[in-house]
Parts: sequence; C-alpha cells; structure tokens
Amino acid sequence: QQQVKQSPQSLIVQKGGISIINCAYENTAFDYFPWYQQFPGKGPALLIAIRPDVSEKKEGRFTISFNKSAKQFSLHIMDSQPGDSATYFCAASNDRGGSYIPTFGRGTSLIVHP
Amino acid sequence: DAGVIQSPRHEVTEMGQEVTLRCKPISGHDYLFWYRQTMMRGLELLIYFNNNVPIDDSGMPEDRFSAKMPNASFSTLKIQPSEPRDSAVYFCASSLAGPQTSGSWTDTQYFGPGTRLTVL
Repeated sequence: QQQVKQSPQSLIVQKGGISIINCAYENTAFDYFPWYQQFPGKGPALLIAIRPDVSEKKEGRFTISFNKSAKQFSLHIMDSQPGDSATYFCAASNDRGGSYIPTFGRGTSLIVHP
Repeated sequence: DAGVIQSPRHEVTEMGQEVTLRCKPISGHDYLFWYRQTMMRGLELLIYFNNNVPIDDSGMPEDRFSAKMPNASFSTLKIQPSEPRDSAVYFCASSLAGPQTSGSWTDTQYFGPGTRLTVL
C-alpha cells in the first residue's frame, strides 16, 4: 500500500521556470513532511521539511506548500536552474509509538534545460 | 564526520554468487536503514535497525536476503544466491531520530553514496 503518492514521475522545465512536484498522503497521523534531493550517483539528502502547523515554508528558491485538509503538499522550485536537475522524493512520518521512520514517495526526476 | 560509508561502490557478479554489501553509519546514530532503488519500484525500505537490533525486515524481498549489524559502526546486507532481478542501487542510511532539545523531533536520514549491483 502506497501511503505517499507523488507526481509527476518526471518533469522537464526550462531554465528560469517554476518546477512543481505534488504529493498526497492517506495517513492522517503523519505530522512531518520532508523533501529529499538526489543527484545522479549520490544518495538522497534532506532538502527542506515542513510541519503541519504552517501552510508554507520557504528556503531560498525552494518552497513547500501544505494543505492539511486535502492531505496534500507540494514542492515549488522558483527560477529553476540546470543545477537543480535531480530526483526529488517527498516523505511523510510521525513520532507515534516511538518510531521515526519516513514513508517515501516514488520520486520525481526533474530535468532543467539551459 | 565522513558521512555514511558504503562499500563496494560497484559490484558486478554472476547469477548464483553470494554478494555482501557493507555500511558504516555516522558515529552516534542509533538507526540504520537499508534501501533498494530501481526505476520500476523507486526507493524501497528493506530493513532497519535500532541500536543494532533489527526492528522491521518486512521489506526484505525473500530469504535470499539477510542483514546483520554486529555493532554500532558496521552493518552488512547479504544476497545469497544472487539473481539478475536483484540488480539495483542499494543505499544504507543512518539517523539520530527522536525528540530534540527544542521540543520537536526529527527523523532526518543521512544516506551513503550507494552500491550499484549488477547481477549477470
């Protein structure tokens, strides 16, 4: 059972454009939503994360938008650059039961053309 | 810290052979995870340990796969016998998850560079 659904699977954007990746979750117990970025030949690394007490979090050109009622969250990359070309994973987790294990989405391969 | 260390970085083997992947987590981290990444299935959690104890191995595809963590600084993932469908990139990740002094909590995972396994 896929608890975190991510779309699109792949995305091609022109330099300077906005990249948008969407995720939806089912488990209402999730209360922490990180995004990981993976460059070719590397392991994923934490990019940005949000907790449900806010609807938006911005770090530089990266913004997470969170809609608790719709159980959806998205990553926006403003002014996308070729260096942003990578695979992006959304994830969701909670700390209930003393377990701190994120559930990952399937990933989105982003290509930013110069 | 050097981060999570995995070896080998690349492994090419023939079907039926035993494969052992190795991982050294970040010092002090109490969680260790093994993942498999393929184009078809994305990032799959195979097994994870907490304080060297296997907690959940429900993601291990079959009995050919086994994992051990004999101490806090070393873990292995073994495939015996290997099959072509095991070809994938295998990641090890570690985490110092749990409550933080700020009153919040985190489960940030730190991934190694991965081992690209090819089974011919």
